[in-house]
Amino acid sequence: GENVEQHPSTLSVQEGDSAVIKCTYSDSASNYFPWYKQELGKRPQLIIDIRSNVGEKKDQRIAVTLNKTAKHFSLHITETQPEDSAVYFCAASPDDMRFGAGTRLTVKP
Amino acid sequence: DTGVSQNPRHKITKRGQNVTFRCDPISEHNRLYWYRQTLGQGPEFLTYFQNEAQLEKSRLLSDRFSAERPKGSFSTLEIQRTEQGDSAMYLCASSIWGGGTEAFFGQGTRLTVV
Repeated sequence: GENVEQHPSTLSVQEGDSAVIKCTYSDSASNYFPWYKQELGKRPQLIIDIRSNVGEKKDQRIAVTLNKTAKHFSLHITETQPEDSAVYFCAASPDDMRFGAGTRLTVKP
Repeated sequence: DTGVSQNPRHKITKRGQNVTFRCDPISEHNRLYWYRQTLGQGPEFLTYFQNEAQLEKSRLLSDRFSAERPKGSFSTLEIQRTEQGDSAMYLCASSIWGGGTEAFFGQGTRLTVV
């Protein structure tokens, strides 16, 4: 099955700075790459996704980039705010959906 | 509530007992996933269904774990002869089709084996 690796495991930034989380995947058949945000005690929720026919997608302060040749994709959060503090998971989907181990992002006021 | 529903929310059981969890997906969703999540980790894939067909089961999953989705609607996950290492959050997610569509998660069932 697909294997997804995610880095870093923890990330601490000052409010207003940018945050970048990186993931690699193994299955070249993967064609859908979602990112989920999980706040403490809550369910994971989709924040942005990208399909393999697109190299970049942006939604306000959040962007995702995909390099299919290198099999890696990244989440970029600009102008971070304290409410961005959460655990972020990447996933890759050839058909099922496999998740990375997560990145705990802390935004310090 | 039209979201994914899981029951029970919490389950405490003694080691060696069997437990069963239920997941009700969003009504028009054909795809259903089960994941296990331990504190600070990502959702670990267990199995998934397309309608009533179980398409894959994780090789990491022992024979004590079984899942069903008999009519292609709700699903159950059973753990037989529970062990302390089974303590975790069990998450269910559903999507309208298969790969390439957003998966919506339930609130999870937190299992504690004592």
